[in-house]
Amino acid sequence: AAGVIQSPRHLIKEKRETATLKCYPIPRHDTVYWYQQGPGQDPQFLISFYEKMQSDKGSIPDRFSAQQFSDYHSELNMSSLELGDSALYFCASSAIESTIYFGEGSWLTVV
Amino acid sequence: AQTVTQSQPEMSVQEAETVTLSCTYDTSESNYYLFWYKQPPSRQMILVIRQEAYKQQNATENRFSVNFQKAAKSFSLKISDSQLGDTAMYFCAFMKQGEGGYQKVTFGTGTKLQVIP
Repeated sequence: AAGVIQSPRHLIKEKRETATLKCYPIPRHDTVYWYQQGPGQDPQFLISFYEKMQSDKGSIPDRFSAQQFSDYHSELNMSSLELGDSALYFCASSAIESTIYFGEGSWLTVV
Repeated sequence: AQTVTQSQPEMSVQEAETVTLSCTYDTSESNYYLFWYKQPPSRQMILVIRQEAYKQQNATENRFSVNFQKAAKSFSLKISDSQLGDTAMYFCAFMKQGEGGYQKVTFGTGTKLQVIP
């Protein structure tokens, strides 16, 4: 069965650079979620999209933005990267009244 | 707003024994879903089990089962015959349908389970 696909799996950026993470949800899933998990921390909700519209917003820094495209894939754009942005970024997807499935995550290291 | 509480930050269990992880939640909704996710050292988030609130029967998946007490707003996970591969962080999650049709998800803070050989 198709799963949530995230790319890239690993990314190394320097401070003040920009990074873009991509997420391809499970086919026919209409909701995409982004989470950030720092070392030894719980996943923190960043933002979600339902039918290509932002549906909820969590602790997402103003330096970050995201969108969901017409093919339902989503991108998380992170600018002016800081050392503290180093984390595992999860994308997850779900359909109405269904289970939330997570991708394998994208590891971002800011040096 | 919904809240999910996992009161056991860390637990340990001997291999082959049974362990129960607790989760309580607070909501005024009557229709919702509850999940347990496992995050092993690889950090992948893996679905363990799912429970629909409208179902009275407790969900079971092989060695994993839940004790769902809707009135008490409790959703505990029982792991039987614990295996070394069960060592992981376990997250309880609550999902309701939000305004406009999307699903709003709330996670607990996790319980770190260590299976001891």
